[in-house]
Amino acid sequence: DTAVSQTPKYLVTQMGNDKSIKCEQNLGHDTMYWYKQDSKKFLKIMFSYNNKELIINETVPNRFSPKSPDKAHLNLHINSLELGDSAVYFCASSQGVTPTYEQYFGPGTRLTVT
Amino acid sequence: AQSVTQLDSQVPVFEEAPVELRCNYSSSVSVYLFWYVQYPNQGLQLLLKYLSGSTLVKGINGFEAEFNKSQTSFHLRKPSVHISDTAEYFCALARGGSQGNLIFGKGTKLSVKP
Repeated sequence: DTAVSQTPKYLVTQMGNDKSIKCEQNLGHDTMYWYKQDSKKFLKIMFSYNNKELIINETVPNRFSPKSPDKAHLNLHINSLELGDSAVYFCASSQGVTPTYEQYFGPGTRLTVT
Repeated sequence: AQSVTQLDSQVPVFEEAPVELRCNYSSSVSVYLFWYVQYPNQGLQLLLKYLSGSTLVKGINGFEAEFNKSQTSFHLRKPSVHISDTAEYFCALARGGSQGNLIFGKGTKLSVKP
């Protein structure tokens, strides 16, 4: 059983399009995250949700909008895609918000904007 | 501001040799430190973590790390590496309080050669 799953695994699209990435965890965790890994492998937090409420929103363009329909899902919608959005996006989850809880990562979604 | 610096972007080493991957951090508050491993085209997996207590932390796959507060370091070590250890290794720091998101270093590519 996959603990944290993401769909799709690969996403190729053109500039200006709107796309969504889905994330689901079956660990019963109440906190979920989106991280972005750029072409140089640098990982940075984008958003964090706890019990469906947004608790972290780093300096991310408004074109990115996370949505958490329930505690097990955290989707990422991106409007008007730009070349610079090309990256690998990782979803993660943890049992709680404090750092003592381990974060479990999904396999990533490689987004390529042409 | 909190930050993590991984001093080596690439570390080539021969099989069965010892290895040390260096990590330094900057933080004005209590820190929680982690090492994650990313195998090619996969998500991140936790190797080990330091929350408190003993400064020598043992993790999976024979890795260990030592927390050194005076030198603000958390170096990762393995006495004898295998080809299968070839991967990207990330050092990360977690913020305390109610925000559990991770702040990552830029990663160290460990290449184990036969």
